[in-house]
Amino acid sequence: DQQVKQNSPSLSVQEGRISILNCDYTNSMFDYFLWYKKYPAEGPTFLISISSIKDKNEDGRFTVFLNKSAKHLSLHIVPSQPGDSAVYFCAASAVNYGQNFVFGPGTRLSVLP
Amino acid sequence: SQTIHQWPATLVQPVGSPLSLECTVEGTSNPNLYWYRQAAGRGLQLLFYSVGIGQISSEVPQNLSASRPQDRQFILSSKKLLLSDSGFYLCAWSVGDRERDEQFFGPGTRLTVL
Repeated sequence: DQQVKQNSPSLSVQEGRISILNCDYTNSMFDYFLWYKKYPAEGPTFLISISSIKDKNEDGRFTVFLNKSAKHLSLHIVPSQPGDSAVYFCAASAVNYGQNFVFGPGTRLSVLP
Repeated sequence: SQTIHQWPATLVQPVGSPLSLECTVEGTSNPNLYWYRQAAGRGLQLLFYSVGIGQISSEVPQNLSASRPQDRQFILSSKKLLLSDSGFYLCAWSVGDRERDEQFFGPGTRLTVL
């Protein structure tokens, strides 16, 4: 049973437009969420996080929105750049998980020039 | 600054052979350490984590094992590899005394079992 879902395996966006990557979770105990970006043959790198006490967190071109009632979060990239092309993983954690995160399957973003 | 090393970068092994993947972290003390696997078309699956020397927690029962012989060294092993062990193995670390901080990943090892 997948607790963190990213239902879009892939997404293509034109350069300069907005990219929206979605993530849904089933465990209502999750209260801390992170987004990672991964290039081929490399380890993931941390992008942005959000705690359940917030509904939005912004860092430059990246904004994460959290809708707790819908158990849904999204990552917005504005404007999208070709260098943003990568696989994006959503990860969730709960207090009783300690330092452990549950990762989604990832969404491959392609930003077209 | 902290760095994390993994080796080898790629590995091709026959079914039934042993495995040893090594991960070391520099520039920090008493980190939490993790082994993940990313199978083709799937997300990151946590295999093992460790909060200290000799302390290993297993998340998924399988023919893999992990050991932490030193504070900043984490080793993933198998006595006999299966075809299903093929995948991209990632080591990660996080600050040991902070709650649910982000994890920093190594470059990964691509393992192909034939």
